[in-house]
Amino acid sequence: AQSVTQLDSQVPVFEEAPVELRCNYSSSVSVYLFWYVQYPNQGLQLLLKYLSGSTLVKGINGFEAEFNKSQTSFHLRKPSVHISDTAEYFCAVSVYGGATNKLIFGTGTLLAVQP
Amino acid sequence: NAGVTQTPKFQVLKTGQSMTLQCAQDMNHEYMSWYRQDPGMGLRLIHYSVGAGITDQGEVPNGYNVSRSTTEDFPLRLLSAAPSQTSVYFCASSSGGARTGELFFGEGSRLTVL
Repeated sequence: AQSVTQLDSQVPVFEEAPVELRCNYSSSVSVYLFWYVQYPNQGLQLLLKYLSGSTLVKGINGFEAEFNKSQTSFHLRKPSVHISDTAEYFCAVSVYGGATNKLIFGTGTLLAVQP
Repeated sequence: NAGVTQTPKFQVLKTGQSMTLQCAQDMNHEYMSWYRQDPGMGLRLIHYSVGAGITDQGEVPNGYNVSRSTTEDFPLRLLSAAPSQTSVYFCASSSGGARTGELFFGEGSRLTVL
């Protein structure tokens, strides 16, 4: 079965600094990968996704992620964060080509942007 | 644009009581799902449905029932609430399924079981 690991539960960073949120996955078959963002007291919304093609994926709000098959990683990056980026970020994985139709989430990383 | 609507937003139950969390979407999505969110555990899939009349279990289905009689609605039933079911519940829908599609989430229902 596939799984997702987000090692950092919280990442504090100063405004305008770069940030990387780490995500590693485990699966014996090919996967699709996603990053979702959750602002306080709201539901989740899709930030970006990797299905195929270029391993560098660009999303909304200036975020991007790179799929690295050899390291089974899908880290999220932003070159310069804003206060408004403070939110919880979830990495998620689904299985390619299988009968299953499930999206499995990691435990989340709280990005805390300080002035 | 309504999107995915969940009711109620807040609910307090006593142990052993039953209740239904409602979820409705107006996007004609075939795929709908229920997650629970607990601190430090992320979101865990409870049940999902790929269309009217079809449901399947997720990672943590015990203590929950679902049915899908229409495309629009996907209620989640707690038959006998337990304190371990205290959580925030999210309903999500997608036109392309969970595999490749974007999930649209409701705003959540916060349930407390005393």
